[in-house]
Amino acid sequence: KAGVTQTPRYLIKTRGQQVTLSCSPISGHRSVSWYQQTPGQGLQFLFEYFSETQRNKGNFPGRFSGRQFSNSRSEMNVSTLELGDSALYLCASSSNLAGGAFDNEQFFGPGTRLTVL
Amino acid sequence: GENVEQHPSTLSVQEGDSAVIKCTYSDSASNYFPWYKQELGKGPQLIIDIRSNVGEKKDQRIAVTLNKTAKHFSLHITETQPEDSAVYFCAASTRQLTFGSGTQLTVLP
Repeated sequence: KAGVTQTPRYLIKTRGQQVTLSCSPISGHRSVSWYQQTPGQGLQFLFEYFSETQRNKGNFPGRFSGRQFSNSRSEMNVSTLELGDSALYLCASSSNLAGGAFDNEQFFGPGTRLTVL
Repeated sequence: GENVEQHPSTLSVQEGDSAVIKCTYSDSASNYFPWYKQELGKGPQLIIDIRSNVGEKKDQRIAVTLNKTAKHFSLHITETQPEDSAVYFCAASTRQLTFGSGTQLTVLP
């Protein structure tokens, strides 16, 4: 079974630009979550999508948004980039059920390394 | 919201020795506690998990214990090997995963 794939793997942008990251979950997984990983703040939850609906959201500003398509693939968008948005963005998929509890294994992709100059 | 604290931040052990990493959590509603291993250039990978109705779980050289009353859980790795060197994260879960700050484990040959 293929793992979680993320594209692109590396990205360089300048302040004020916007960026879109893509994630393809493991086949059959309907839950896709996004995380931001930085040396200072560690791994932080951005949001989770299930069946095309945002189900849970972390404490990030509205510049961070996402969506999920009918095939469970997900995209994450960051608008008006700031230097502090430089991070590794990780996507994870899970067979979490419709109840919304995060009590199943999250399978992580390799991440997209975003650098904002 | 949930807060997870993890200690130590770095840990060096000799090959063959044991390693212990400890975490505490704040939300008594948390009911799922996974441990992830992250190697350089890769995403985190689940190594073991425990649910709130279980006090201990073991998988070969890896074990996790959970004390719900004290709100802490620990990872134990026995007979460490150089390939165990990585960053380890604990996490607690209700409707989202909250991660600890990570432990850089180095196993010295």
